[in-house]
Amino acid sequence: QKEVEQDPGPLSVPEGAIVSLNCTYSNSAFQYFMWYRQYSRKGPELLMYTYSSGNKEDGRFTAQVDKSSKYISLFIRDSQPSDSATYLCAMSANGRGSTLGRLYFGRGTQLTVWP
Amino acid sequence: KAGVTQTPRYLIKTRGQQVTLSCSPISGHRSVSWYQQTPGQGLQFLFEYFSETQRNKGNFPGRFSGRQFSNSRSEMNVSTLELGDSALYLCASSLRDRLSSGANVLTFGAGSRLTVL
Repeated sequence: QKEVEQDPGPLSVPEGAIVSLNCTYSNSAFQYFMWYRQYSRKGPELLMYTYSSGNKEDGRFTAQVDKSSKYISLFIRDSQPSDSATYLCAMSANGRGSTLGRLYFGRGTQLTVWP
Repeated sequence: KAGVTQTPRYLIKTRGQQVTLSCSPISGHRSVSWYQQTPGQGLQFLFEYFSETQRNKGNFPGRFSGRQFSNSRSEMNVSTLELGDSALYLCASSLRDRLSSGANVLTFGAGSRLTVL
């Protein structure tokens, strides 16, 4: 079992829809949770990150973390065709030390928003 | 401000050959990480360097190696290429150092797409 599980999709929605993307994980040491967006032929770019449990909002994007369930979500409101990309969740453990720079990624969910 | 630069962007090799990929991090970033991305496995961690020292290594065979130079630029090398090494190799840099706590915010390059025939 991979440490981070993410449904690869593909997910196809009409413009204006609310999109929900999710990941589950198994390692209770994870404290930092991130969402990256990757366009075709590009590297991943950071969208948001949160620490521990709770919600964080940035414009049309909301990230939620439920550590008790080991479940994280990204919501996209009023989705746009420009949101069409692969969304990757990533997470890492807390604290200091040589192993803590490593991120553990989900496989990514491919999203298409059609006009 | 220039981003993370990876070269070459695309390359084709045959089985048994070796390949060297290059990464120039964002100016001021001293930590460089490498990831392999494939459709089946997603992003898998290869290694991380800080101040010319490998700090962490993923679960890849010894054919995969890397190094970091004093100017923080990094290279990775794959020897005796196999078909399964075909992938997008991503380099990422961050401000994180060995004493940092908190999120390791990575900035990725566009990647080097390797095809092994």
